[in-house]
Amino acid sequence: DAKTTQPNSMESNEEEPVHLPCNHSTISGTDYIHWYRQLPSQGPEYVIHGLTSNVNNRMASLAIAEDRKSSTLILHRATLRDAAVYYCILRRYGGATNKLIFGTGTLLAVQP
Amino acid sequence: SQTIHQWPATLVQPVGSPLSLECTVEGTSNPNLYWYRQAAGRGLQLLFYSVGIGQISSEVPQNLSASRPQDRQFILSSKKLLLSDSGFYLCAWSPDSYGYTFGSGTRLTVV
Repeated sequence: DAKTTQPNSMESNEEEPVHLPCNHSTISGTDYIHWYRQLPSQGPEYVIHGLTSNVNNRMASLAIAEDRKSSTLILHRATLRDAAVYYCILRRYGGATNKLIFGTGTLLAVQP
Repeated sequence: SQTIHQWPATLVQPVGSPLSLECTVEGTSNPNLYWYRQAAGRGLQLLFYSVGIGQISSEVPQNLSASRPQDRQFILSSKKLLLSDSGFYLCAWSPDSYGYTFGSGTRLTVV
């Protein structure tokens, strides 16, 4: 599975936008970019995913570079409840098992 | 709607005792099922996955085993727990190529 690189930690202020970067220079054409987040003492929660085009949903936006070697998860207005570890994961389409292999993620701290 | 149940929420077991954690999924059929473990302060490690009844694939050799006796039931077991088996165990299911849904987890402490 292709590897992703994320900063270990980031800080944000409440109600400000947050841009969480992810590098995936070895991404292949069939790899989807997935984002999950894990709140303390909970299981990971799906946030968003995309292949080539930018994606928006009620939780966040995903901006994908034109060469697909990097992406950015955008939280438009951070709240205290967004404090979590955010994981950027590449998932290959078409695999029978669709395994998710988690890295170390980015710990996002949100200050009031 | 689909839901995933995992129990117990917390467990304290002595070294050398057996373990059985159960995970069930409702509202779907033939899901892909997964067991992950998260040691304290660490990332999530994929332990086992299953694409169907009786079909188990192990990602990491260890003191644990998994079974899938029914379509929507996934069990994680150990015959003799080690201290290093302590951690946060998570079951997950995937209906397709996209999102995973995780259970609420079991926090296991081996003493």
